[in-house]
Amino acid sequence: GAGVSQTPSNKVTEKGKYVELRCDPISGHTALYWYRQSLGQGPEFLIYFQGTGAADDSGLPNDRFFAVRPEGSVSTLKIQRTERGDSAVYLCASSSDLSGAYNEQFFGPGTRLTVL
Amino acid sequence: GENVEQHPSTLSVQEGDSAVIKCTYSDSASNYFPWYKQELGKRPQLIIDIRSNVGEKKDQRIAVTLNKTAKHFSLHITETQPEDSAVYFCAATASGYSTLTFGKGTMLLVSP
Repeated sequence: GAGVSQTPSNKVTEKGKYVELRCDPISGHTALYWYRQSLGQGPEFLIYFQGTGAADDSGLPNDRFFAVRPEGSVSTLKIQRTERGDSAVYLCASSSDLSGAYNEQFFGPGTRLTVL
Repeated sequence: GENVEQHPSTLSVQEGDSAVIKCTYSDSASNYFPWYKQELGKRPQLIIDIRSNVGEKKDQRIAVTLNKTAKHFSLHITETQPEDSAVYFCAATASGYSTLTFGKGTMLLVSP
């Protein structure tokens, strides 16, 4: 089946604007993760959903960042009042929910956000 | 929280040589350690992983070793090929559903 998809692939915005980034996980995957990857760095955790609820949002840097997953499938990461420091590749990953197992996280291609 | 250190940051080898990338972690509760390969402009892809009840795991030319006492794990690639050139990330997590903490990555360059 299809892998994790993310839209848009690239987003250029101006400082202070609002942006939404979308993630379509692999069908049937109940766990969904958002990461942020800056140039030359590893992915940095932002938020993790199990179904519709945010199980762990400890990685969100501040209250300008928010994410939703209202129907337990597609997720949207929302960034208000964007700052130049928000420029990065935003990666989404999903995994299946197999009790007791360590489940591979499948990554999407990412959205490259550039804040001018 | 968990902290993962990865070395070296860049590694250049000749085709056919072996390559070793090392990672250390801080949280003794971590028990799952995946390795991801990321080619330029592409998504990270899992290449091998190891659980804490295993000391070594091999898959063709790649192998991973884990020393829980010392809290370090390593990726070994033998008979390297130019297509192995990429950035490799190690990661650690304390449970099967929890988030991954990644190292900063190692850029591996394999010269023909």
